Amino acid sequence: EPEVTQTPSHQVTQMGQEVILRCVPISNHLYFYWYRQILGQKVEFLVSFYNNEISEKSEIFDDQFSVERPDGSNFTLKIRSTKLEDSAMYFCASSEAKNIQYFGAGTRLSVL
Amino acid sequence: AQSVTQPDIHITVSEGASLELRCNYSYGATPYLFWYVQSPGQGLQLLLKYFSGDTLVQGIKGFEAEFKRSQSSFNLRKPSVHWSDAAEYFCAVVYNTDKLIFGTGTRLQVFP
Repeated sequence: EPEVTQTPSHQVTQMGQEVILRCVPISNHLYFYWYRQILGQKVEFLVSFYNNEISEKSEIFDDQFSVERPDGSNFTLKIRSTKLEDSAMYFCASSEAKNIQYFGAGTRLSVL
Repeated sequence: AQSVTQPDIHITVSEGASLELRCNYSYGATPYLFWYVQSPGQGLQLLLKYFSGDTLVQGIKGFEAEFKRSQSSFNLRKPSVHWSDAAEYFCAVVYNTDKLIFGTGTRLQVFP
């Protein structure tokens, strides 16, 4: 069964450093998403991406965040200068159309 | 504002007992409705969805959910819980955009 793959599973970084979280969506999917879940809190939408551009973003997704689909298979989330409060589980999701979103296992980001 | 409420933070049941997890959504229009499950260290797995039609929907792992428009609810049920069902369960909705709005989750504990 096709699945969304995220790497790494755990990323530790120093405050102020840049991180790139990687995702390989399901191959025939056209819509891509990032969500995050701060420990003990709900899963929150960050951004959606379609046709090589952002289609929607939340208030959380400020200038420190960016997304890219650098080739035909990867979808990345970059945080330019990490803050302590960026520590969270980051989930990538993809969907074939605007309907069912399939999630990866997540990347746990720890900012020290 | 669009929101999803899961009033039960933590539920404990005995193996073999029935289960009902509650979910209510705000906002007047009927959204697309989803239940996801998150096992420890895992991503979010889709259990079932409701878009339209029959208000009782069947999902994987023996789960079902019933949409009740009059109560703005989409409760998840299972007639007989197995120990492997212990996990965190998230109700989520999509309105006119493609972002999922999640509830805060219900942690299910199953005793033998």
